[in-house]
Amino acid sequence: GAVVSQHPSRVICKSGTSVKIECRSLDFQATTMFWYRQFPKQSLMLMATSNEGSKATYEQGVEKDKFLINHASLTLSTLTVTSAHPEDSSFYICSARAATSYEQYFGPGTRLTVT
Amino acid sequence: GQNIDQPTEMTATEGAIVQINCTYQTSGFNGLFWYQQHAGEAPTFLSYNVLDGLEEKGRFSSFLSRSKGYSYLLLKELQMKDSASYLCAASTDSWGKFQFGAGTQVVVTP
Repeated sequence: GAVVSQHPSRVICKSGTSVKIECRSLDFQATTMFWYRQFPKQSLMLMATSNEGSKATYEQGVEKDKFLINHASLTLSTLTVTSAHPEDSSFYICSARAATSYEQYFGPGTRLTVT
Repeated sequence: GQNIDQPTEMTATEGAIVQINCTYQTSGFNGLFWYQQHAGEAPTFLSYNVLDGLEEKGRFSSFLSRSKGYSYLLLKELQMKDSASYLCAASTDSWGKFQFGAGTQVVVTP
């Protein structure tokens, strides 16, 4: 199947700093990428939908100025958590889909810990 | 509104069969997906239905009834490694946005 990578896999940062997470589709062109966050023992919560070359669409309750999403190419999307706080600590997962299918291919996730 | 319901937890013994039900009510629908997720890992794709009927993939099968807003995932010949959370997701718009259920934790016992 298609491969999606995410980097870094784990990051620890201090409160008030910013963290960038990269999501790459390695062997296909991703017309749409999605960013999720997941708290322990809970399901995936969609944060935003990102289409190449256009602004991301954020879900209700997700602050677009805090979670900056850039989808600069058909293989790369980035999520920047700005001025991170301990409550932003979570598992962040990206997924990507090609134009030919509704299947989403998930990256391995990034565990963010804000101290 | 959007609503996806699935049981919270199911327990079964090794070698048995387990059926995980999922009901959905969504404003749009492009298909129903099933993913497996082990703790601390990303979801992995299991099965997908867009038309009514049964899709079989080895030990895993999935069924869809669009008129009833109902799907199930059938896991046969359970193995210990099948202990995981199983996520039901409906694709709901032209971008392929998923609405996920809360997940069903399957516990396989010896």
